Amino acid sequence: TQLLEQSPQFLSIQEGENLTVYCNSSSVFSSLQWYRQEPGEGPVLLVTVVTGGEVKKLKRLTFQFGDARKDSSLHITAAQPGDTGLYLCAGAGKGGSEKLVFGKGTKLTVNP
Amino acid sequence: NAGVTQTPKFRVLKTGQSMTLLCAQDMNHEYMYWYRQDPGMGLRLIHYSVGEGTTAKGEVPDGYNVSRLKKQNFLLGLESAAPSQTSVYFCASEGQGAWEQYFGPGTRLTVT
Repeated sequence: TQLLEQSPQFLSIQEGENLTVYCNSSSVFSSLQWYRQEPGEGPVLLVTVVTGGEVKKLKRLTFQFGDARKDSSLHITAAQPGDTGLYLCAGAGKGGSEKLVFGKGTKLTVNP
Repeated sequence: NAGVTQTPKFRVLKTGQSMTLLCAQDMNHEYMYWYRQDPGMGLRLIHYSVGEGTTAKGEVPDGYNVSRLKKQNFLLGLESAAPSQTSVYFCASEGQGAWEQYFGPGTRLTVT
């Protein structure tokens, strides 16, 4: 069974600080996705990374896929209260995103 | 364009009762999924479907049944609810080869 470990589980920071969230596995994934979930809503896809070593930027968010395609990180620069939410990583096996494996999530709180 | 909708949004059941959760998508997606989300457990796949008339088991299928009689609808049934099925249930859909799952707003189910 493929597992994804996310760390930290909880993170509370002040507005303007930088942070990094990690997603690690002993398994290789064909692609990895990051979702953001707000309270009372379903997850929303932020990014998909598919190539080992790939780096994608989405405004203040930087996503990196490890060279061996076993891990990923999400870095947020100058966090804002609107970044508050649950961040989930999800890995796809060789069959594509069918049967995604989700990490347990990192709950981020950005205080004004 | 409503995306993915789920009904009901909230439900309280007594142990042994049955119910059906309805998921509908208007994006003509081939793939549909049912997940449950529990505190500290992340999202776990219950059942999924790769097309009309097809269903398959996910990670935690016991106690649930599904049907995909129409492409746009995916039903999740609980024949005899148990307190362990108290959870938030999310439906998601995905276009074939799109590698992006769109989630509904969730159904919060409590079994007493």
